[in-house]
Amino acid sequence: EIRLVESGGIVVQPGGSLRLSCAASGFTFEDYTMYWFRQTPAMGLEWVSQITWDGSGTYYADSVKGRFTISRDDNKKSLFLEMKNLRPEDTGLYYCAKDMSSLQLQLLPDSWGQGTLVTVSS
Amino acid sequence: IVLTQSPATLSLSPGESATLSCRASQSISTYLAWYQQKPGQAPRLLIYDSYHRATGIPARFSGSGSGTDFTLTISGLEPEDFAVYYCQQRKNYFTFGQGTKLEIK
Repeated sequence: EIRLVESGGIVVQPGGSLRLSCAASGFTFEDYTMYWFRQTPAMGLEWVSQITWDGSGTYYADSVKGRFTISRDDNKKSLFLEMKNLRPEDTGLYYCAKDMSSLQLQLLPDSWGQGTLVTVSS
Repeated sequence: IVLTQSPATLSLSPGESATLSCRASQSISTYLAWYQQKPGQAPRLLIYDSYHRATGIPARFSGSGSGTDFTLTISGLEPEDFAVYYCQQRKNYFTFGQGTKLEIK
């Protein structure tokens, strides 16, 4: 069974930093492109970032570029999102997801975690 | 690319058929997917590339369309089908529609 479990979401002040983690199991993690999405009442579902299976390609939404960094540790089967200079509009439920097919960049997330809540507020 | 879903809310009874629409601001060929989301749960991939059902998705879910206009049809609504449905394009990175809430009448 494919499982993705996010963690690390907390309440943080504007300008603060946070690191989200996503623990993967049930599939060959190192063969898949991975994604971060977020969901907010104001913006709905938003793509945040993605990293290719081999780590050679990282991509970011304009709203987070320069502030967020995606990374992966294939030995630990984990995905990370380093978040800096957080803003109130970064508040939301953050999901990690895997791509549908291995060794490709399909932009088709077919399995999602349950999310971790990030709140940016003073 | 902006995706506009209609209607915002659809009220139907179990056993009826549902037709949900998604319109893209520019042509996306058939690079459109549909997701279902229930309260407190993550999105679940239903349909990809306009009409391909994802693994394990019942045959009552079907998709169609190309270019800018797409439809998700649910034939014979089951109680578990009442949820929010999102469309998503992958022609140019990701965008999602704002969602259609399918509620019990």
